Amino acid sequence: ETGVTQTPRHLVMGMTNKKSLKCEQHLGHNAMYWYKQSAKKPLELMFVYNFKEQTENNSVPSRFSPECPNSSHLFLHLHTLQPEDSALYLCASSQDRGQLAKNIQYFGAGTRLSVL
Amino acid sequence: GNSVTQMEGPVTLSEEAFLTINCTYTATGYPSLFWYVQYPGEGLQLLLKATKADDKGSNKGFEATYRKETTSFHLEKGSVQVSDSAVYFCALSDLGNTPLVFGKGTRLSVIA
Repeated sequence: ETGVTQTPRHLVMGMTNKKSLKCEQHLGHNAMYWYKQSAKKPLELMFVYNFKEQTENNSVPSRFSPECPNSSHLFLHLHTLQPEDSALYLCASSQDRGQLAKNIQYFGAGTRLSVL
Repeated sequence: GNSVTQMEGPVTLSEEAFLTINCTYTATGYPSLFWYVQYPGEGLQLLLKATKADDKGSNKGFEATYRKETTSFHLEKGSVQVSDSAVYFCALSDLGNTPLVFGKGTRLSVIA
């Protein structure tokens, strides 16, 4: 148990569906991250939030929409996805981004997404 | 830009064998270096880290030494166990607000 909880663990959706992934951290951290992990590809950083403000968006398509209502919760809203979006989506948190010693990231177990 | 290159897998070893997973990096500054491990069905967990040259990170029998002269951070373990079967990721973090940069991961399978 890393202190970062992701739900659901598995999700199957059609290309016209709208769904949301949820991440919750119980570590008192201020920075939260979304990553995409696809087979045979490096881990891809998607979004970063620091103190609820989005600080990075790595050219992610608009069909992925993040939301960070507070420092403990992070959502990824999904709509009109493509089959190539099927992947493991990982959430992580760290104490903050500014100091290296506090930048160690703690990961959730991920949501395995399949887009049909 | 910053990058991490680690050896291609998969790596298959017998129990009690010696493990080395190579990792080299490119960075503009003086990064901190990390090894993360991902067990089946789980997220990534920090295995060990080193924050400056010649530091040695160690945990659970794994070790890695930060070598600035060769820009390397190779992961080693003297005697692997079946429970070490996982994907291992080398990563770096530069100063300030730059995000972690991960390697592609190396899958290790240990057979009894």
